[in-house]
Amino acid sequence: DAKTTQPTSMDCAEGRAANLPCNHSTISGNEYVYWYRQIHSQGPQYIIHGLKNNETNEMASLIITEDRKSSTLILPHATLRDTAVYYCIVRPFNAGGTSYGKLTFGQGTILTVHP
Amino acid sequence: EADIYQTPRYLVIGTGKKITLECSQTMGHDKMYWYQQDPGMELHLIHYSYGVNSTEKGDLSSESTVSRIRTEHFPLTLESARPSHTSQYLCASSGRVRTEAFFGQGTRLTVV
Repeated sequence: DAKTTQPTSMDCAEGRAANLPCNHSTISGNEYVYWYRQIHSQGPQYIIHGLKNNETNEMASLIITEDRKSSTLILPHATLRDTAVYYCIVRPFNAGGTSYGKLTFGQGTILTVHP
Repeated sequence: EADIYQTPRYLVIGTGKKITLECSQTMGHDKMYWYQQDPGMELHLIHYSYGVNSTEKGDLSSESTVSRIRTEHFPLTLESARPSHTSQYLCASSGRVRTEAFFGQGTRLTVV
């Protein structure tokens, strides 16, 4: 699986957009970018994923660069409850759409949202 | 809503005891995973399974063992608990086609 690199920590003011970067310069063509977050020591929660197009859902937006070597998770209006560790991972899928390989997490980015 | 459950949520047990941490999912997912996480530290994959009768060791060496006799169950066993096993254990599952992984609430294990 491609390795990802994220900043150790970031701060954001409540109500502002939080932009969390992720570098995955060795990503392969069959690997998707996934984002999860972990609040306190709860189980990680899925946020969003994408292959090459930008994606948006009710939680966040995902911007993937054209060369797919990096991506940015955007929380448009951060709240105090968004304070968490955010993980960017890549997962390979075969032609049939089945994932394979381990599901491993790095250190992630600790996002702190301030009042 | 994630349908993956771990029991117990909290367990305090004496050294040398045998323990089994339960993990069940009702989503029919073929892949299941166990992670170990100490407070403020990384999630470490210790075991995973691609389906019934399939188990593999993860990236972090663990004295625990797992079994996958049924699709929905993936229990983790420690034959003889030690204080070094004190940690949080998280179970997860994922489906076949481009689905995300769902996590249980975790079991906080303390070995005294």
